[in-house]
Amino acid sequence: EAQVTQNPRYLITVTGKKLTVTCSQNMNHEYMSWYRQDPGLGLRQIYYSMNVEVTDKGDVPEGYKVSRKEKRNFPLILESPSPNQTSLYFCASRGGLNTEAFFGQGTRLTVV
Amino acid sequence: KNEVEQSPQNLTAQEGEFITINCSYSVGISALHWLQQHPGGGIVSLFMLSSGKKKHGRLIATINIQEKHSSLHITASHPRDSAVYICAAIVPSNTDKLIFGTGTRLQVFP
Repeated sequence: EAQVTQNPRYLITVTGKKLTVTCSQNMNHEYMSWYRQDPGLGLRQIYYSMNVEVTDKGDVPEGYKVSRKEKRNFPLILESPSPNQTSLYFCASRGGLNTEAFFGQGTRLTVV
Repeated sequence: KNEVEQSPQNLTAQEGEFITINCSYSVGISALHWLQQHPGGGIVSLFMLSSGKKKHGRLIATINIQEKHSSLHITASHPRDSAVYICAAIVPSNTDKLIFGTGTRLQVFP
């Protein structure tokens, strides 16, 4: 089954404690992105990658890191999480330009 | 002003009603997504279209590129259609860029 898998689904952590949210897709997609979703602000892009070892900033990259060492995986790293990073995070993948996006189930992160 | 605007923001309906959600955009696009998000759930792509009309079951999506407008219609609505519906414009660029509307929250009552 074609899917994008994120882990964990829920995470509560403390300010400053490094964490990683994993994202994996099984569709051999070139494009992968991370988004955060906040009430009243909708979905905003954090980082994206259009190929292995190629990543670029989206609209709200501050406080986040990503890597794309293999095509299927695109982890999101918060080196020093802060309460303003409390949000619902989505990973998505696409096969290329003008192709359908597939989203993961989301990760609800709370930073206290 | 957002580059992608949806209306209405909230919509309630009785089961069986015909529903229309609108999406207007001010940028050039190559295609447009309609997405569905159930409460506490993930995001599912319903349609991606760049022209004309697509139909899947009770769902119909249309797009008019010249008028920069797309609509999502739900025929014979059902309580399980209750969700947030989001349109997302695919911008022709050398980036993985989607511009999202802020969503329409639909509640269908029995």
